[in-house]
Amino acid sequence: DAGVIQSPRHEVTEMGQEVTLRCKPISGHNSLFWYRQTMMRGLELLIYFNNNVPIDDSGMPEDRFSAKMPNASFSTLKIQPSEPRDSAVYFCASSLGTSIDYEQYFGPGTRLTVT
Amino acid sequence: GEDVEQSLFLSVREGDSSVINCTYTDSSSTYLYWYKQEPGAGLQLLTYIFSNMDMKQDQRLTVLLNKKDKHLSLRIADTQTGDSAIYFCAESAPGGYFGNEKLTFGTGTRLTIIP
Repeated sequence: DAGVIQSPRHEVTEMGQEVTLRCKPISGHNSLFWYRQTMMRGLELLIYFNNNVPIDDSGMPEDRFSAKMPNASFSTLKIQPSEPRDSAVYFCASSLGTSIDYEQYFGPGTRLTVT
Repeated sequence: GEDVEQSLFLSVREGDSSVINCTYTDSSSTYLYWYKQEPGAGLQLLTYIFSNMDMKQDQRLTVLLNKKDKHLSLRIADTQTGDSAIYFCAESAPGGYFGNEKLTFGTGTRLTIIP
């Protein structure tokens, strides 16, 4: 398996623009997680899905952020409108389940720069 | 809420032991993890320890857990240049709609190896 795939790897956009980050989990995994990594706050869980259903979105910073998982092999994280403080590396991870028995496998991340 | 803290930087001479420390606040943590992030890559699970254990050894890695002080450490024996990376401590605690575990990460410790 190719592992968790994220695209794009790098995104540079201007303030106010819409940004869409994409993730393809490992085939057969039924849980998907979105994380944001910044120097100041480290790695934060934004939202996670189980069987395509959002379970906990309490980490989503504000209404400008939204995430969807229309099917088991694809998820998006959208920021609209984007702001400079959204600049970070966004990681997607997937696992066989959300129980602690299941290891989360991380994608390579998308580095977002908002100018 | 949960909070996980780590020092940001550590420099160690090649061949010496590295000790990376972490403190956490959530006493209901069930598992504690160490993840490794190499440049430009996602996170990889290195090792984990169940909260009722106080030590776990895995080849060059030793994890020590002091549950009373909520202190976790990772010792890497005979540190090599390939150990250069950012190391994240994470805790899992019950949460979510189905009582699923979710991970809270520290800010990461950047380990630099001095030749």
